[in-house]
Amino acid sequence: DTAVSQTPKYLVTQMGNDKSIKCEQNLGHDTMYWYKQDSKKFLKIMFSYNNKELIINETVPNRFSPKSPDKAHLNLHINSLELGDSAVYFCASSQIQSYNEQFFGPGTRLTVL
Amino acid sequence: RKEVEQDPGPFNVPEGATVAFNCTYSNSASQSFFWYRQDCRKEPKLLMSVYSSGNEDGRFTAQLNRASQYISLLIRDSKLSDSATYLCVVNVNTGNQFYFGTGTSLTVIP
Repeated sequence: DTAVSQTPKYLVTQMGNDKSIKCEQNLGHDTMYWYKQDSKKFLKIMFSYNNKELIINETVPNRFSPKSPDKAHLNLHINSLELGDSAVYFCASSQIQSYNEQFFGPGTRLTVL
Repeated sequence: RKEVEQDPGPFNVPEGATVAFNCTYSNSASQSFFWYRQDCRKEPKLLMSVYSSGNEDGRFTAQLNRASQYISLLIRDSKLSDSATYLCVVNVNTGNQFYFGTGTSLTVIP
């Protein structure tokens, strides 16, 4: 009964490859997010989607493209992977309301060689 | 300037000690405030929300000072299981813009 699930949990790939990370939430939330946590543990928002529409697109290279087929899913596709993309990527979801708790997925640890 | 600033620590305290973490935020339009906890190699999880009047949950007390744009977390009677990274989180536009601090590392020593 995982609330927010991500696959894969680990991803090791070569520079230049294209990869996707999938995220699903079964909480009925209307907003989903992607965060990147780098080696210094800083958690930075990348994208926010509300009811399948992009709300926030922080300064992220356009090699990163989120896709939301429905409000329960938010996938992240990354083209032409670079060494600096190595990090842990967290998906999260919440309802849009004041003092809304964000629920995070377990994270995907991406290593680019 | 970062949206949210925290002292990264580390804080190493003995069991039973009281420890306090502080956090400042830069955007006066911030609306909601939280403390999240992140264990090593795990996802962040909500510890508690921080309300204007201050709030307490067992051994944990959170305070908000809007005038100084400052949030605090006090942990009393520290347990070994409190060892984790504590993240200060600020929500600027309801539901959309969450900003995380870099986290404060706490280790409780037997």
